[in-house]
Amino acid sequence: EPEVTQTPSHQVTQMGQEVILRCVPISNHLYFYWYRQILGQKVEFLVSFYNNEISEKSEIFDDQFSVERPDGSNFTLKIRSTKLEDSAMYFCASRDGRNSYNEQFFGPGTRLTVL
Amino acid sequence: RKEVEQDPGPFNVPEGATVAFNCTYSNSASQSFFWYRQDCRKEPKLLMSVYSSGNEDGRFTAQLNRASQYISLLIRDSKLSDSATYLCVVNDDDYKLSFGAGTTVTVRA
Repeated sequence: EPEVTQTPSHQVTQMGQEVILRCVPISNHLYFYWYRQILGQKVEFLVSFYNNEISEKSEIFDDQFSVERPDGSNFTLKIRSTKLEDSAMYFCASRDGRNSYNEQFFGPGTRLTVL
Repeated sequence: RKEVEQDPGPFNVPEGATVAFNCTYSNSASQSFFWYRQDCRKEPKLLMSVYSSGNEDGRFTAQLNRASQYISLLIRDSKLSDSATYLCVVNDDDYKLSFGAGTTVTVRA
């Protein structure tokens, strides 16, 4: 069964450093998403991406964040200058989008720890 | 402010019991509704979509009341493997999901 993959599974970084979280969505899916979940809190939407551009972003997704689909398979989230409060699980998700079925499939997540 | 509110639980039930919990959503224009399951420190996984007429998937039954903006999930004949956090999720538009904080269910032997 096709699945969303994410690397690395755990990233530890120093405050102020740049990190890039990587995702490989399900092949042929058209919509891509990033969500985050701070420990003990709910899953929060960050950004959606379709047709090589951002479709929607939340207030969390400020100028420190960017997304890119550098090739036909990868989807990345970059945080330019990490803050302590960026420590969270980051989930990538993808959705087919070519039919009415709206399920988003989530990757296993990257745990980001900012020290 | 668009929100999804859930019974936080925890619900601690014996094997074989029935457990039910609810969710309310604030955006009357919400289009799609789901229950996801999340195990500790894992990704959310779709349990079932929720349809207007209500739907059942094995031991799981979901109900949607659009007038009251209310969604429910009922688990019959609980198994130990049902222990998880159940996330009420609402799709407001094509681009994002709004998650509730989750209802924790623990099934004990």
